[in-house]
Amino acid sequence: EAGVTQSPTHLIKTRGQQATLRCSPISGHTSVYWYQQALGLGLQFLLWYDEGEERNRGNFPPRFSGRQFPNYSSELNVNALELEDSALYLCASGLTTEAFFGQGTRLTVV
Amino acid sequence: DAKTTQPTSMDCAEGRAANLPCNHSTISGNEYVYWYRQIHSQGPQYIIHGLKNNETNEMASLIITEDRKSSTLILPHATLRDTAVYYCIVRAGFGNEKLTFGTGTRLTIIP
Repeated sequence: EAGVTQSPTHLIKTRGQQATLRCSPISGHTSVYWYQQALGLGLQFLLWYDEGEERNRGNFPPRFSGRQFPNYSSELNVNALELEDSALYLCASGLTTEAFFGQGTRLTVV
Repeated sequence: DAKTTQPTSMDCAEGRAANLPCNHSTISGNEYVYWYRQIHSQGPQYIIHGLKNNETNEMASLIITEDRKSSTLILPHATLRDTAVYYCIVRAGFGNEKLTFGTGTRLTIIP
């Protein structure tokens, strides 16, 4: 069974640009969670999507947004990139019990 | 905010049992205790979870105190590959509620 897949693995953007990160959940999982992990810091909750709807949002500015498609895959968009947006972005999918994480997209803003 | 308290770091000798404690004194009756670990720069890996009974799987054992205010994750025979940050998380057992990560315990397995 395929796990949670994220693309791209690495992404380099210039300050002010937009970044789009993608996540495919495990088959059968309807919930997708996004987390940000800046270097040396903990995992900060970003967004939670379930059945195509945004269910919860972490303490991040509106330039962090996303969506979930009918096939339950998800996209995270970060507009007007700032240097401090450089981080590992992790996606997870889950059922009622445990959540499974992808390997992340490392976004570098220069 | 995270509802758990864990030691910042621990060391354990290779081949010995690693016992990682976690305090969750404000846990609610419908909240489970989850353990995840994160090996350097990888996505967190699910280890085990439990409500009030002790649990065991191929990776670890979870011991939850009778009052549910604390728990211990046990890695029975630690290997170098178990070096990671271990997160103890409490989460409602329904509704796909998000996981809230604290700072975790950095476990170092020493050869």
